[in-house]
Amino acid sequence: AQKVTQAQTEISVVEKEDVTLDCVYETRDTTYYLFWYKQPPSGELVFLIRRNSFDEQNEISGRYSWNFQKSTSSFNFTITASQVVDSAVYFCALSPTSGGYNKLIFGAGTRLAVHP
Amino acid sequence: NAGVTQTPKFQVLKTGQSMTLQCAQDMNHNSMYWYRQDPGMGLRLIYYSASEGTTDKGEVPNGYNVSRSTTEDFPLRLLSAAPSQTSVYFCASSYSGGLSNEQFFGPGTRLTVL
Repeated sequence: AQKVTQAQTEISVVEKEDVTLDCVYETRDTTYYLFWYKQPPSGELVFLIRRNSFDEQNEISGRYSWNFQKSTSSFNFTITASQVVDSAVYFCALSPTSGGYNKLIFGAGTRLAVHP
Repeated sequence: NAGVTQTPKFQVLKTGQSMTLQCAQDMNHNSMYWYRQDPGMGLRLIYYSASEGTTDKGEVPNGYNVSRSTTEDFPLRLLSAAPSQTSVYFCASSYSGGLSNEQFFGPGTRLTVL
């Protein structure tokens, strides 16, 4: 089975708190890609990061960081010093390379509310 | 480059009406996709097209139809709208055979069926 689980449906924090969004995936493919997308209240999907299964290095981009651990099939996303503009729904997605096309399997999303 | 464009942005239909959601991309991508987004369920694949002239069903194809007569366009047809089709629809495109599997998304169409 190929699946993405985002167990946190909603998270509410106060500005400047750090917050981690969890993502656990299932796939039998040895080669796959993982993505995070942000959906702000305006509704569009904003690409945040892509990681392939052979690259387990953590990545930091400004206040955003990602922790990829193949041993636990997790690809967690941390926002440091959260801001009100971070309020959005965040989706984790898995793209296995089997199946003949760029299949993208989404998690249900985590709604993050950052309060002033 | 405009990327992936979708029209209309908003649409209200009555039950039983038919309509076509338009999607176009100018990145010369071979693959295109239609998703629907419902609350608490993430995005689910309706149909996809691996290349011009081919289409395949995704996870939730019932009540929809697609065609891919050009590389650029991938319209989604609602045959007889039902309230269960009230959703936000996203079109996406990608270059299959590339190194990243990344899909590029349009801005979405919010559809309400009364």
